[in-house]
Amino acid sequence: EPEVTQTPSHQVTQMGQEVILRCVPISNHLYFYWYRQILGQKVEFLVSFYNNEISEKSEIFDDQFSVERPDGSNFTLKIRSTKLEDSAMYFCASSESSGVVGELFFGEGSRLTVL
Amino acid sequence: AQTVTQSQPEMSVQEAETVTLSCTYDTSENNYYLFWYKQPPSRQMILVIRQEAYKQQNATENRFSVNFQKAAKSFSLKISDSQLGDTAMYFCAFVMDSSYKLIFGSGTRLLVRP
Repeated sequence: EPEVTQTPSHQVTQMGQEVILRCVPISNHLYFYWYRQILGQKVEFLVSFYNNEISEKSEIFDDQFSVERPDGSNFTLKIRSTKLEDSAMYFCASSESSGVVGELFFGEGSRLTVL
Repeated sequence: AQTVTQSQPEMSVQEAETVTLSCTYDTSENNYYLFWYKQPPSRQMILVIRQEAYKQQNATENRFSVNFQKAAKSFSLKISDSQLGDTAMYFCAFVMDSSYKLIFGSGTRLLVRP
């Protein structure tokens, strides 16, 4: 069964360092998303991406964040200069042409720890 | 702003019995969708069931059904004949028709006891 895969599963970084989280969505999906969950808090929407551009982003997704689909298969989230409060589990998701009102398929998450 | 509230942080049920997880939401929108997602331990979130707000009929998927009360803004999940594999975190989620942004509740951790 096709699934969304994320790497790394866990990354530890120093404050101020750049981090790239990688995702391989399901191959025929057209909509891509990043969500995050800070420990003990709700899962929060960061950004959605369709047709090679951001379709919607939250107030969390500031200039420190960027997304890219560099090669038609990977979907990456870059944090330019990490802060302590960026420590969280980051989930990638994808969906078919029906967009978010259809079924989102999530990856297992990448845990980011900023020291 | 839209919000989703799950008032039960943890619940427990005996195998083969029925359990209901609560969810309430707040919105001024008329067109939206509601979801229940399940996250088993150390696994990805998967969709359990979906409800379109314009549909009066409650959605059902095998042992999973919802009680959608639009006026009360309530969307509870009923799991019948609970199985050990139902042990997971359950998230209620909401999205407006015009948006890509899923809004999640805080989750309910369900333990099915043998």
